Amino acid sequence: LAKTTQPISMDSYEGQEVNITCSHNNIATNDYITWYQQFPSQGPRFIIQGYKTKVTNEVASLFIPADRKSSTLSLPRVSLSDTAVYYCLVGDSLSYNTDKLIFGTGTRLQVFP
Amino acid sequence: EAGVAQSPRYKIIEKRQSVAFWCNPISGHATLYWYQQILGQGPKLLIQFQNNGVVDDSQLPKDRFSAERLKGVDSTLKIQPAKLEDSAVYLCASSLVVGTGELFFGEGSRLTVL
Repeated sequence: LAKTTQPISMDSYEGQEVNITCSHNNIATNDYITWYQQFPSQGPRFIIQGYKTKVTNEVASLFIPADRKSSTLSLPRVSLSDTAVYYCLVGDSLSYNTDKLIFGTGTRLQVFP
Repeated sequence: EAGVAQSPRYKIIEKRQSVAFWCNPISGHATLYWYQQILGQGPKLLIQFQNNGVVDDSQLPKDRFSAERLKGVDSTLKIQPAKLEDSAVYLCASSLVVGTGELFFGEGSRLTVL
């Protein structure tokens, strides 16, 4: 299973765009890249998932370069409510027909007013 | 749509006692997961069920942890006897389709072992 590396913490101010980069050098052909958000005292919440190029939804964008060895979660115009821990996961959705996703320690994003 | 329900939200026990956590997944979700999240760490998968069969329990400490999912719906995770290092949040998650990577988590059950 591919291991991911992401910054331990990041600070930002309201209204700014935040980009969190995740490194996954050993990503396999079948692996997808998934990002989750976790607020204190809550379970993680799925944000976005991609395989290659760019994926965008109402919450975030995910940029994946051609070599897929890294990915960047982009949060446009963050607000105080975006303060949370963000996890980058790489999982082989085809192996053993499971969703064996490994959570790392995540990136703690702190948004200031 | 109702989310994943877990109970109790909080539990305090002494070491060597037993505890059980209950999870009711989102209706129709065939896959159910139990994760353990120690303070400051990411969630760690303990066990995964597909309907009422175990798909992966490689990280479940089977000498003290057990889990079951009767009738392919609700699930119970039990710890007996508890150790200090079992203090953590126990998260239940479910997914509709295996292989999408989209899991729906409950709010978790926080266990404190004294």
